[in-house]
Amino acid sequence: SQTIHQWPATLVQPVGSPLSLECTVEGTSNPNLYWYRQAAGRGLQLLFYSVGIGQISSEVPQNLSASRPQDRQFILSSKKLLLSDSGFYLCAWSDGTNTYNEQFFGPGTRLTVL
Amino acid sequence: GESVGLHLPTLSVQEGDNSIINCAYSNSASDYFIWYKQESGKGPQFIIDIRSNMDKRQGQRVTVLLNKTVKHLSLQIAATQPGDSAVYFCAVPGPQGYSSASKIIFGSGTRLSIRP
Repeated sequence: SQTIHQWPATLVQPVGSPLSLECTVEGTSNPNLYWYRQAAGRGLQLLFYSVGIGQISSEVPQNLSASRPQDRQFILSSKKLLLSDSGFYLCAWSDGTNTYNEQFFGPGTRLTVL
Repeated sequence: GESVGLHLPTLSVQEGDNSIINCAYSNSASDYFIWYKQESGKGPQFIIDIRSNMDKRQGQRVTVLLNKTVKHLSLQIAATQPGDSAVYFCAVPGPQGYSSASKIIFGSGTRLSIRP
């Protein structure tokens, strides 16, 4: 069966510090991968998605970047965090073989920027 | 562009009663709809989906109804239990990017709370 991992689970970082959040998927090959941010009490905002190694699409202008160095690894990064980067970050994957595919979410990383 | 909204941000239901969570969407061309459940501090979990060629689909204790005429869908939970407490999101596929990415647009969510 497929599983998706995210770490760390929680993170507190000072403003201006770098960020690296990691997501890995097991039990599937060539998944589509996604990074979402969820502000408190709000819905999910899609940040990045990837359909393959090295292929990254950004949905919104922001202080963050994403990379996919391996098929089942997706990394969210920042060189200098802003207060507004605080939130709950969710990684998700979907099967890229057809159009109607649900997305499976990881457990999330709660980031607090102070 | 596509947008998805919910009629109520919160819903309080007596344990054992049925819950109905509503969602409106804007794009009449939307052809696939998904409901997710998100418990506190966790990622969303898929509950049920429905395609536009259907107007009703049933799962275990859940039913999704789709009314394409008024662009409305609802999630019905039968015999609501304490474990149903969560935020429920409806979602529709967004404009497809290149290749096969299944981009999804989420509504803002309805928080369901259960009264004992």
